[in-house]
Amino acid sequence: QSVLTQPPSVSGASGQRVTISCTGTSSNIGAGYDVHWYQQIPGRAPKLLMYANNNRPAGVPERFSGSKSGTSASLAITGLQGEDEADYYCQTYDSSLSAVVFGGGTKLTVL
Amino acid sequence: QVQLVESGGGLVKPGGSLRLSCAASEFPFDDYYMSWVRQAPGKGLDWVAYISSGGITINYAASVKGRFTISRDNAKNSLYLQMNSLRAEDTAIYYCARYDMGYGAPVVDHWGQGTLVTVSS
Repeated sequence: QSVLTQPPSVSGASGQRVTISCTGTSSNIGAGYDVHWYQQIPGRAPKLLMYANNNRPAGVPERFSGSKSGTSASLAITGLQGEDEADYYCQTYDSSLSAVVFGGGTKLTVL
Repeated sequence: QVQLVESGGGLVKPGGSLRLSCAASEFPFDDYYMSWVRQAPGKGLDWVAYISSGGITINYAASVKGRFTISRDNAKNSLYLQMNSLRAEDTAIYYCARYDMGYGAPVVDHWGQGTLVTVSS
């Protein structure tokens, strides 16, 4: 069981908007640690998608955005495209565990 | 273009040992924290260990502490993971990862392609 909780799956029609939640506790997200997001296309290595809550690395489309509030964070994707089908993971640091922690991952299906 | 190339994976029996290597290039290796992250078949990402740029600060996940040892050789631009007393549940793709420590939590800004470790009799 992951320290950070994500929905196992989300789906949306092409062109629509979806959000993926990442729920933590007072020892990780709630403690003020930044949240990062990774995208992993099946069979490939993960790729950094969003860092420090709401910052996109170069090359990541503006359709992707992130936010953080309290003990949770969210990744939003607008204008869904077929190429967005992938697994998405949130990640932060947990001070009680003294460990880097990942969410369990969310599989995005574009209908 | 940052490159991280893992090697050393393979099939090993329970209780056995394996040493993974990661060759880094195209960036100042000794300026960066490095990490190993694994992914069991069909499962999510699982942080294993990280090591500071100079090799002084090291941290392990509880699941591998006492069995795995992370190390680095900055002269060779290489990261290592010595894995002992391997268990079936250690079966996974092991990714070499570069950390950016400039934020309020370590972030992996570059990943290797991974090397598969299978623990089975």
